[in-house]
Amino acid sequence: KQEVTQIPAALSVPEGENLVLNCSFTDSAIYNLQWFRQDPGKGLTSLLLIQSSQREQTSGRLNASLDKSSGRSTLYIAASQPGDSATYLCAVGFFSYNTDKLIFGTGTRLQVFP
Amino acid sequence: EAQVTQNPRYLITVTGKKLTVTCSQNMNHEYMSWYRQDPGLGLRQIYYSMNVEVTDKGDVPEGYKVSRKEKRNFPLILESPSPNQTSLYFCASSLLPLRQGYGELFFGEGSRLTVL
Repeated sequence: KQEVTQIPAALSVPEGENLVLNCSFTDSAIYNLQWFRQDPGKGLTSLLLIQSSQREQTSGRLNASLDKSSGRSTLYIAASQPGDSATYLCAVGFFSYNTDKLIFGTGTRLQVFP
Repeated sequence: EAQVTQNPRYLITVTGKKLTVTCSQNMNHEYMSWYRQDPGLGLRQIYYSMNVEVTDKGDVPEGYKVSRKEKRNFPLILESPSPNQTSLYFCASSLLPLRQGYGELFFGEGSRLTVL
């Protein structure tokens, strides 16, 4: 069964710290992996999309890596700020016999305090 | 502005009273999808559509219907809502489906539904 797991479920850090969020998946036959941010009561905002042929993507203070062979992705946030407080979700696009599947992890809730 | 628009954003209804949640995108995307988000369960796909008149079931389709008569609209229909359909619903779209090298997935703001 294709599954996506995110650890830790919650994280609280002081402003300025560099931090790493983890996403693991059970099947290496994937199309891509996408990281999202969700603010309370809001929709999901796409942060980074990594295609299966890529190893990493960067946007500003964010860097996402992908290791298909080990079934892992990490989202690195440099110099965290209170405005980074949100829930971060990863979603993995899996190959499937009759239909492609986009499966979400349950997220990491991040709090950055001043 | 490129966006996915859902309505209503909040709705309280009673068991059995048919309702429709509308979803519209202005990006000429082929792929559209509905998800529900529940605590501890994450986002689960209800239905998706590869293009006009092409729809298919996701992981949790029971109790829901969809239609895709126009490219921009993908309404979610609850024919006879029940309390276990109380949830936060999201519509999303992307230019192409996964298999065709889809890009970024855009989400609506969500529709919080309570069924009493």
